[in-house]
Amino acid sequence: DAGVIQSPRHEVTEMGQEVTLRCKPISGHDYLFWYRQTMMRGLELLIYFNNNVPIDDSGMPEDRFSAKMPNASFSTLKIQPSEPRDSAVYFCASSRTSGGVQNTGELFFGEGSRLTVL
Amino acid sequence: GENVEQHPSTLSVQEGDSAVIKCTYSDSASNYFPWYKQELGKRPQLIIDIRSNVGEKKDQRIAVTLNKTAKHFSLHITETQPEDSAVYFCAASRGTYKYIFGTGTRLKVLA
Repeated sequence: DAGVIQSPRHEVTEMGQEVTLRCKPISGHDYLFWYRQTMMRGLELLIYFNNNVPIDDSGMPEDRFSAKMPNASFSTLKIQPSEPRDSAVYFCASSRTSGGVQNTGELFFGEGSRLTVL
Repeated sequence: GENVEQHPSTLSVQEGDSAVIKCTYSDSASNYFPWYKQELGKRPQLIIDIRSNVGEKKDQRIAVTLNKTAKHFSLHITETQPEDSAVYFCAASRGTYKYIFGTGTRLKVLA
C-alpha cells in the first residue's frame, strides 16, 4: 500500500481565500484523523471519523473549518475564509480498529500539507 | 479536559549515552500511551506503545515505563545513535482514538 496520501504538499494562499486539503487513507482502515501541527501547540486533533461518520469534532477551531468524508477512500478539510493564524502543517492519519474493548491503535500519518496564509 | 505535559522540550546527548523523556497525564482514566517519532520534515511514526495493564515494555534499544499511581510514563533510549535525532511525542488516551499529544521533545544525538 502507498500509505496515507495527502495533497497538496504545500499551499500558499492569501488571507480570505478558501483552502481545501485532501486525504486518501490506507485501504481497509476505518478511522481517519485530521491533525494540525504548529511549533506553539504541537499536534492537535481537529476531527476524526469512523466508517465515514464524524465521531469527534471538538478540536475544530471555529466555523471556518469543515471536514467531510464522502466515502471510505477520501476526505477533505476545508478552511473558508483562511487567516494567517491558520498557517501550519496539516496531517491526515488513518487507523484500523484493533478490536477488543480498546479502540486504540497505531496512527499512520500522511506526509502532511504545509499551509501558509499570507 | 485531558492534558499531557512532556519534558524536556529539548535534549542533547552524546552518541552512546542514554536519553529519557518524561510525560505526565491528568486523566486517571487514560489507559493507552503511545510514543511517536518525527524526523525533520517527515511524518510522525509510532515507535512503541504501552497499555495500562503493563508497567514496562521494551523493544531493542527503546523502552517505556508507566507509573499509573503517579500518572506519568517515560521513554528510555539506550546506546543512542545519530539516527535517533528527531522530535518525540508522547500521547495518552482513555481507550478511544482521541489521543492527546504532548508538545514534543527535540532530541539531538551528538556524534
